[in-house]
Amino acid sequence: NAGVMQNPRHLVRRRGQEARLRCSPMKGHSHVYWYRQLPEEGLKFMVYLQKENIIDESGMPKERFSAEFPKEGPSILRIQQVVRGDSAAYFCASSPPGVTGGSEQYFGPGTRLTVT
Amino acid sequence: DQQVKQNSPSLSVQEGRISILNCDYTNSMFDYFLWYKKYPAEGPTFLISISSIKDKNEDGRFTVFLNKSAKHLSLHIVPSQPGDSAVYFCAASTPNSGNTPLVFGKGTRLSVIA
Repeated sequence: NAGVMQNPRHLVRRRGQEARLRCSPMKGHSHVYWYRQLPEEGLKFMVYLQKENIIDESGMPKERFSAEFPKEGPSILRIQQVVRGDSAAYFCASSPPGVTGGSEQYFGPGTRLTVT
Repeated sequence: DQQVKQNSPSLSVQEGRISILNCDYTNSMFDYFLWYKKYPAEGPTFLISISSIKDKNEDGRFTVFLNKSAKHLSLHIVPSQPGDSAVYFCAASTPNSGNTPLVFGKGTRLSVIA
């Protein structure tokens, strides 16, 4: 029963390059969330997706950032033309469908992005 | 604006004693609260949750208390063990079919001293 998988675990990019972060949710989970953690901060919500749908992207910067969760394959968080301020830990979480009254989200190990 | 606040950045407790981690929130729409534990270089691990219809939830050494009128919750760990040393995050969500983004506090670093 594999947990949430993220890769790569560490990613180094030079300013202006593109970063692609991947997330495979837990088996049976159809909801995926991306969060970002800056140093000494809590996790900040970025985007919430279900298969082939973006449900809530209110936490995502309007430019350079995009996310998808295709019918087949992992969810992808894409950052174009990275800048130093994008350096952070990016966490993916998943939860099962159809839960009412609140549901736990299960987190992956994170991808640590360093922009040089 | 910080909707979920953990005002103590760190806490030290002797092994065997009780650890009490506090969390305050400002959004009265929050209806579901969770605690996560995080070790360095790992993702947060779910610990325990509570719905607003309850004021207490217990799971082994971990108990969460919710005071809705004060918009305050706390996590009690008893007895504390050295392996409990980690950063603890309080999180909250609003009810909307149950699957909603979490709002996190900044975390409290707990050190349990042997």
